[in-house]
Amino acid sequence: QLVESGGGLVQPGRSLRLSCAASEFSVSNTYMTWVRQAPGKGLEWVSLIFDGATTYYADSVQGRFTISRDSSKNTLFLQMNSLRPEDTAMYYCAKVTGPKRYYFDSWGQGTLVTVSS
Amino acid sequence: EIVMTQSPATLSVSPGERVTLSCRARENINNKLAWYQQKPGHAPRLLLYGGNTRATGIPARFSGSGSGTEFTLTISSLQSEDFAVYYCQQYINWPLTFGGGTKVEIK
Repeated sequence: QLVESGGGLVQPGRSLRLSCAASEFSVSNTYMTWVRQAPGKGLEWVSLIFDGATTYYADSVQGRFTISRDSSKNTLFLQMNSLRPEDTAMYYCAKVTGPKRYYFDSWGQGTLVTVSS
Repeated sequence: EIVMTQSPATLSVSPGERVTLSCRARENINNKLAWYQQKPGHAPRLLLYGGNTRATGIPARFSGSGSGTEFTLTISSLQSEDFAVYYCQQYINWPLTFGGGTKVEIK
């Protein structure tokens, strides 16, 4: 099970950190990802972290967002800096099936981020 | 970036009908394609991966076919719980990309 938190209303240019608490498996040896969905729009992949330190990002967030995890808390994070109105979306964390199997077999319920002045 | 195009955008169907959804990749993705179902207010759910392999717990009425650039998701007999939006996703190359979705609505 995955439970996201940390969303809310934030002004453009500010930062926010999303959390995704996992249960029933360890995030430290699991590939994990963030996917977002703007209101009324489709799905957009944001970032993915391997079981080591390798990370990938969508061009739209490269240099502004950072994915990480805390093994002691069994939690995945997404640090979002320099937020823009176009970052407004529901953010989902998901479990990735595995190496070279970058599809998402378990999802959280999402946390809503609204970037507005 | 591999652009994924789904068609049609919306499909109006009656329960019990057979449904075919299309997903096209701009370049060859072999069979590295997943399908998801999303109902309003809910997170997506993995339906198929590898183009044609059902995920755990997915009913047999859902099937997938295709390879390379052309893929199809078929629902053999649409049930009431199948009215939703369906997305395809390629996972052969970075960035991972989704299609724009096909909404299956009640006729």
